[in-house]
Amino acid sequence: ETGVTQSPTHLIKTRGQQVTLRCSSQSGHNTVSWYQQALGQGPQFIFQYYREEENGRGNFPPRFSGLQFPNYSSELDVNALELDDSALYLCASSLAGGVNGYTFGSGTRLTVV
Amino acid sequence: KQEVTQIPAALSVPEGENLVLNCSFTDSAIYNLQWFRQDPGKGLTSLLLIQSSQREQTSGRLNASLDKSSGRSTLYIAASQPGDSATYLCAVDDNAGNMLTFGGGTRLMVKP
Repeated sequence: ETGVTQSPTHLIKTRGQQVTLRCSSQSGHNTVSWYQQALGQGPQFIFQYYREEENGRGNFPPRFSGLQFPNYSSELDVNALELDDSALYLCASSLAGGVNGYTFGSGTRLTVV
Repeated sequence: KQEVTQIPAALSVPEGENLVLNCSFTDSAIYNLQWFRQDPGKGLTSLLLIQSSQREQTSGRLNASLDKSSGRSTLYIAASQPGDSATYLCAVDDNAGNMLTFGGGTRLMVKP
């Protein structure tokens, strides 16, 4: 059973640029969620994808968008990067309904300069 | 809106001590509660999942309890070891798998 994998592990972007983060879900999981974790804080929910559709969204602006592919992998896109977007971005996969909880990846550390 | 609080924010104990980490949540209508461990700069490792119909779960030296009516969960770590040093996060799922609401975490240091 493969776990959740995220890429890249680290990246540095300039304010105003766009970035795409990638996530492969754990084998057998059909739902992917994205979280943003600022330094010293708990993760904050960005959105969730199920059956290639957005299935819930947290308090994040539209410049945060995503996709889910038929193989359940997912992308998180952030446009017009701001300095405050610097954070650890975590991807989590689960079965629909979350009955067995969530499995998280190792995260992508994004630094905006 | 669900709010999750973890107390204490940081804890330092000598090796071998038993300890309790606390998590409280404001809306008791939860679906399940999950405890995670996070090492510095790393992702989250699931420790224990307690579903709403359960009162506790155990894994090795870890025991987590859930009291929905009072909006509390505790994570008990027995015979702590330096390798237990990490941040422990409590997360509540109150919308049948739609999202998790996290506490701010407890940063634990176990001194040899």
